[in-house]
Amino acid sequence: EPEVTQTPSHQVTQMGQEVILRCVPISNHLYFYWYRQILGQKVEFLVSFYNNEISEKSEIFDDQFSVERPDGSNFTLKIRSTKLEDSAMYFCASSEWASNTGELFFGEGSRLTVL
Amino acid sequence: GDSVTQMEGPVTLSEEAFLTINCTYTATGYPSLFWYVQYPGEGLQLLLKATKADDKGSNKGFEATYRKETTSFHLEKGSVQVSDSAVYFCALGGSGAGKSTFGDGTTLTVKP
Repeated sequence: EPEVTQTPSHQVTQMGQEVILRCVPISNHLYFYWYRQILGQKVEFLVSFYNNEISEKSEIFDDQFSVERPDGSNFTLKIRSTKLEDSAMYFCASSEWASNTGELFFGEGSRLTVL
Repeated sequence: GDSVTQMEGPVTLSEEAFLTINCTYTATGYPSLFWYVQYPGEGLQLLLKATKADDKGSNKGFEATYRKETTSFHLEKGSVQVSDSAVYFCALGGSGAGKSTFGDGTTLTVKP
């Protein structure tokens, strides 16, 4: 069964360092998303991406964040200068259809710990 | 803006008990509604969905009915099992390629 894969599963970094989280969405999906989850509870939307551009982003997704689909398969989230409050589980998701009708397929997450 | 309000947890039940987790929403238009489940240490996965009013989604013994008049999508299961212990998220489909909106999650623990 096709699945969304994420790497790394866990990354520890120092405050102020750059981090890149990688995702390989399901191959025929067209819509891509990043969410984050703090303390194993609330799932917060960061950004959606379609047709090689950002469709929507939240207030969390400030200038320190960027996304890219560099090679038609990977979908990356970059945090330029990490802060302590960026510590969270980051989930990539993809969808075949627009999120209004299509389910989201989530990866297993990348845990980011900022020290 | 769109929002989802979920019943606060945690919820602890004995095996074979009846489960209800309440979910209400605020949205413009007629969004699709989803329940996702997150087992310990895993990502979220779709449990069931409904795309229009009065639709009933069902899967693995869980059910939820899209009620437009009460803007609700409550999750129910007649007889829970220990293996149902997880965090359950109600979610609202976004418009176009935009975000889905998630509730805060309800942690369910089922004891033998």
